[in-house]
Amino acid sequence: DAGITQSPRHKVTETGTPVTLRCHQTENHRYMYWYRQDPGHGLRLIHYSYGVKDTDKGEVSDGYSVSRSKTEDFLLTLESATSSQTSVYFCAISVGQIVNSPLHFGNGTRLTVT
Amino acid sequence: GIQVEQSPPDLILQEGANSTLRCNFSDSVNNLQWFHQNPWGQLINLFYIPSGTKQNGRLSATTVATERYSLLYISSSQTTDSGVYFCAVVPNSGGSNYKLTFGKGTLLTVNP
Repeated sequence: DAGITQSPRHKVTETGTPVTLRCHQTENHRYMYWYRQDPGHGLRLIHYSYGVKDTDKGEVSDGYSVSRSKTEDFLLTLESATSSQTSVYFCAISVGQIVNSPLHFGNGTRLTVT
Repeated sequence: GIQVEQSPPDLILQEGANSTLRCNFSDSVNNLQWFHQNPWGQLINLFYIPSGTKQNGRLSATTVATERYSLLYISSSQTTDSGVYFCAVVPNSGGSNYKLTFGKGTLLTVNP
């Protein structure tokens, strides 16, 4: 157990509203990631972080922003949710202080945008 | 970019049977991981195995980096082994976990 907690676990929101998903870790790992999983597309990287206030874009970053003000928390924000952002969102961490370490996932957040 | 192909796409077993899942990749890699996604959606890291062989209980994995493939062996399968198995790689030219490319997965169903 890599000590990853995602919140909320489920959320339904309306198009155009802002949404923030939270990922919290208890083990002080440096590298954190946000993925989305969709049928037919598999797992795709949205944003990642390599330290406090150090973040960068992944493969599908449009419409998303992230923040990491503390080592333990990595927030994903949908500035204005759209139906295409309905998905399951996973947070992940590299378990180890080097980036090429085993990747461990949180339990996911199922987001529905109506 | 690197191509990751997993086979078979679907597999149905009776409890107690053994199975081998394969992951082929199109370029040399410095990072290869196997994951299991259970029917409740949880993603579990099984192995970090860019080369060589590892074993964990009934599961073992072998990566032959020079021939660009990895195998995941499941022995004496149990119903709790059901789910999707993903292989993910980072090419030598790509650097890090930032560039993990996932295969489409193998859907395993173990019947009692």
